Amino acid sequence: EAGVAQSPRYKIIEKRQSVAFWCNPISGHATLYWYQQILGQGPKLLIQFQNNGVVDDSQLPKDRFSAERLKGVDSTLKIQPAKLEDSAVYLCASSLYLGGGREQFFGPGTRLTVL
Amino acid sequence: KNEVEQSPQNLTAQEEEFITINCSYSVGISALHWLQQHPGGGIVSLFMLSSGKKKHGRLIATINIQEKHSSLHITASHPRDSAVYICAVMNRDDKIIFGKGTRLHILP
Repeated sequence: EAGVAQSPRYKIIEKRQSVAFWCNPISGHATLYWYQQILGQGPKLLIQFQNNGVVDDSQLPKDRFSAERLKGVDSTLKIQPAKLEDSAVYLCASSLYLGGGREQFFGPGTRLTVL
Repeated sequence: KNEVEQSPQNLTAQEEEFITINCSYSVGISALHWLQQHPGGGIVSLFMLSSGKKKHGRLIATINIQEKHSSLHITASHPRDSAVYICAVMNRDDKIIFGKGTRLHILP
């Protein structure tokens, strides 16, 4: 079974530029998560989708971050414009469905460096 | 105080040593996860448990629901076990809360 795919794996941009990340969850997984992990910290949830609907985006900095999952399958996360403090690993995860303590499967992450 | 606390934050040990990483949490949970993160960022799920004990190869995870505590043990540790080990709990609202991780370094 293919795992969660993410691209790119690494990205270096200058502040004020825009960047987009892509995630393809495990086939059939209804729930998709985007996390931000700053160096030395645990991942922080940015946004959670159930199919193509947003379940939780309370910690997403909506002035600069946006995410979509239009067809309920793959998803993109965008930062526009980027700030230095956005340097982090962006992790995508998916689970079969919401609820019941379902196991999350993580992608390899995208390491973003903002200069 | 964080809802999920791990100890130690950093651990260096010799190959073959028995390793224990601890996790304490302060919220009601439906499940607890132990995750492994290698340099480069990718996370692998090691265990998901809600009671008792699970074993996979040289890895053992235990949880005590009453004490709100879990431990991850590695027997006969090996340099390839060097990674960050993250404890994460899923609360009653199905939100996952991560610990800050324990950085393990096994010396040959």
